[in-house]
Amino acid sequence: EDQVTQSPEALRLQEGESSSLNCSYTVSGLRGLFWYRQDPGKGPEFLFTLYSAGEEKEKERLKATLTKKESFLHITAPKPEDSATYLCAVQARGGGFKTIFGAGTRLFVKA
Amino acid sequence: NAGVTQTPKFQVLKTGQSMTLQCAQDMNHEYMSWYRQDPGMGLRLIHYSVGAGITDQGEVPNGYNVSRSTTEDFPLRLLSAAPSQTSVYFCATKQGASPEAFFGQGTRLTVV
Repeated sequence: EDQVTQSPEALRLQEGESSSLNCSYTVSGLRGLFWYRQDPGKGPEFLFTLYSAGEEKEKERLKATLTKKESFLHITAPKPEDSATYLCAVQARGGGFKTIFGAGTRLFVKA
Repeated sequence: NAGVTQTPKFQVLKTGQSMTLQCAQDMNHEYMSWYRQDPGMGLRLIHYSVGAGITDQGEVPNGYNVSRSTTEDFPLRLLSAAPSQTSVYFCATKQGASPEAFFGQGTRLTVV
């Protein structure tokens, strides 16, 4: 069964304290792995897509990496405005457009 | 350019009532979908559509109906609301093979 597990559930950082969020996945043939950001009371906002092991994508203070079993979202020198829930999702080959989401990691960055 | 618009933003229903959650997009995207988001769980796919006149079931379709008569609109109908359908509902669109999905702001539904 295709599955996505994110850890930790919640992460509290001081401003400038770098860290990583983890997304472990089990899928029968990965078509793509996605990262989204979700602010309270809003819909998810697309960040990255990763397609194959070894691939990396960067956007401002965020860098996403991918292995055959997991993805990491590295946050370098975070700022309070980076506080949000970060969602990981996967699409399987042959699964059409079906996207499986993890429960998310809530990130709190304190000034 | 509004993107994806969901109405209403909040709704309280009594058990057994029916209602329709509206989703409209102005991006001319082929693919539209409905998700529900519950605490501690990932977004779960309810129904989706790959174009006007074509719909299919997702992971948790029971108790919900959809139709897609136009490219722009994809309403979600609750036939007889149950407390288990208390959730936040999101509509999303994407264009063809593009990986990027665009989400609406959500509808928070409470069934009492």
